[in-house]
Amino acid sequence: KAGVTQTPRYLIKTRGQQVTLSCSPISGHRSVSWYQQTPGQGLQFLFEYFSETQRNKGNFPGRFSGRQFSNSRSEMNVSTLELGDSALYLCASRRQENPEAFFGQGTRLTVV
Amino acid sequence: LAKTTQPISMDSYEGQEVNITCSHNNIATNDYITWYQQFPSQGPRFIIQGYKTKVTNEVASLFIPADRKSSTLSLPRVSLSDTAVYYCLVGDRGSSNTGKLIFGQGTTLQVKP
Repeated sequence: KAGVTQTPRYLIKTRGQQVTLSCSPISGHRSVSWYQQTPGQGLQFLFEYFSETQRNKGNFPGRFSGRQFSNSRSEMNVSTLELGDSALYLCASRRQENPEAFFGQGTRLTVV
Repeated sequence: LAKTTQPISMDSYEGQEVNITCSHNNIATNDYITWYQQFPSQGPRFIIQGYKTKVTNEVASLFIPADRKSSTLSLPRVSLSDTAVYYCLVGDRGSSNTGKLIFGQGTTLQVKP
């Protein structure tokens, strides 16, 4: 079966712009989580959506937001981009009550 | 969530067994121990999960002592392709909160020929 799909794979944006990243989970997975990975901070949890509702949130500023659609696809948005937002953004999907999270290959965002 | 401590890096040679130990002194009764593997520029991949004693799958074994304050991931006969970062995570297994994974610094395993 198809894995978690993230688009686009690479993105270059300018400071002050906003960006939207997309994640299509594995069919049947209703939980979608987002993570930011940087060399300095490692893998950090951004937020989790389940059945179109955000049910967990990490310690990130309000510029980071997300949403989930009825088909479980999810988007995350970062507004007013800063240089420090340059990172690999990873999405993971999970079947409820199953501990195994399946990650996509990520979107590499570069802010210049 | 319980904090975990792992060695930052380890070296091994092809064909050897590798054991990576993770300390989690504040593990809670409901917490499970999960290991993920990550290759450069890829998302982490689930390896194994356990609660106590020993768990084995086709990829690895997980040893958990009775006090559960530590765990050891064992990789049999590693190859060059096992070079990766290995993360130990501790958290509640089946509740609604497990969509939130807390990753530590991980252990970078370098397998040499």
